Amino acid sequence: GQNIDQPTEMTATEGAIVQINCTYQTSGFNGLFWYQQHAGEAPTFLSYNVLDGLEEKGRFSSFLSRSKGYSYLLLKELQMKDSASYLCAVSDSNYQLIWGAGTKLIIKP
Amino acid sequence: GAVVSQHPSRVICKSGTSVKIECRSLDFQATTMFWYRQFPKQSLMLMATSNEGSKATYEQGVEKDKFLINHASLTLSTLTVTSAHPEDSSFYICSTYRDPFSSGSNEQFFGPGTRLTVL
Repeated sequence: GQNIDQPTEMTATEGAIVQINCTYQTSGFNGLFWYQQHAGEAPTFLSYNVLDGLEEKGRFSSFLSRSKGYSYLLLKELQMKDSASYLCAVSDSNYQLIWGAGTKLIIKP
Repeated sequence: GAVVSQHPSRVICKSGTSVKIECRSLDFQATTMFWYRQFPKQSLMLMATSNEGSKATYEQGVEKDKFLINHASLTLSTLTVTSAHPEDSSFYICSTYRDPFSSGSNEQFFGPGTRLTVL
């Protein structure tokens, strides 16, 4: 079957760094996405990885290892507004997104 | 600006009535649109894949006669919740993507969502 695993909840301190991991098993692979979702709002796109390695975009970076079925989202210089759920999603062989359950990130002052 | 619009953003209705939600692709022609449902504190659940000019493909456990999908044009898909009940209260979100072969990515663009409350 297809499966995406990510931690349910994480807590970090304002100004610190946090890494959210995602492991996946899917039928085919056409890229991995990270989305941010604030409560009551639709998800917003953060990053897309289709090749191995690190993609950096400002305070956010995303890493992919296809051989290990593993990705992480790295958030630096955490701000209170980063408190949200972070969703990992994999595009399978039919370009359909398989979603993880999301990681709720709590930022403390 | 917004790539996908959704209307209405919020609707409250009585049990037994039907509610129609519209999803429009504003920036490009959308052959395929997805409809998701999200209950509080849970992840997105794909309900169905809407294909322009053909019948929608429903996920297991989603009643096609209850959740009617119409994708009559390349920019508009509608979801009608028929005979709504309180358990249908949820956040409904649509999404679409550009042709991955031409764009190089199948990033999904989401509508802002519709909060449905059935009394």
